[in-house]
Amino acid sequence: DSGVTQTPKHLITATGQRVTLRCSPRSGDLSVYWYQQSLDQGLQFLIQYYNGEERAKGNILERFSAQQFPDLHSELNLSSLELGDSALYFCASSGLLDEQYFGPGTRLTVT
Amino acid sequence: GQQVMQIPQYQHVQEGEDFTTYCNSSTTLSNIQWYKQRPGGHPVFLIQLVKSGEVKKQKRLTFQFGEAKKNSSLHITATQTTDVGTYFCAGPIKRAQKLVFGQGTRLTINP
Repeated sequence: DSGVTQTPKHLITATGQRVTLRCSPRSGDLSVYWYQQSLDQGLQFLIQYYNGEERAKGNILERFSAQQFPDLHSELNLSSLELGDSALYFCASSGLLDEQYFGPGTRLTVT
Repeated sequence: GQQVMQIPQYQHVQEGEDFTTYCNSSTTLSNIQWYKQRPGGHPVFLIQLVKSGEVKKQKRLTFQFGEAKKNSSLHITATQTTDVGTYFCAGPIKRAQKLVFGQGTRLTINP
């Protein structure tokens, strides 16, 4: 158990819909990272927040947005969903060596 | 932009055989990190290498960081079925900024 929690574990929704994925970092960690992993693919970095502020942005679509709240939990919002958005979404928080601790992921299926 | 390439993409070995995956960066890295993702699981941090030419061992796993700090390798001696999974290397663009992950090497083992 990494100490990073993610909900929900699974999500099935239809094209055009909007969903929200939630992540709580390890206790004491200020950073949250979001990644997308499609089937048999690597980890695509989406976005990073540090103590409530956006720190770095990767290949995040305009349909996707994220925020980090004062209690440091983060939400990733995915809207106008397409079939190609089906993937595993991981969040991670970083430790003292900048190593990343990943949550169990949310498996999103868009039908 | 900065790229981290990993080879091979897939490797199938007989149990007891050795396994090596290689990681190459287009730019010099301040450090290199290695992660393991078991099938159906999330990436788990294994180790971080910081110094040029550094070699670290974890039981049957040997990690090396190249002299130029642009390449790294992970070698597993006498593989066991518990070694099955995808091994990712990752390098930071800047300290405490986002990590760039390689595409991973998926290791499968014939018992």
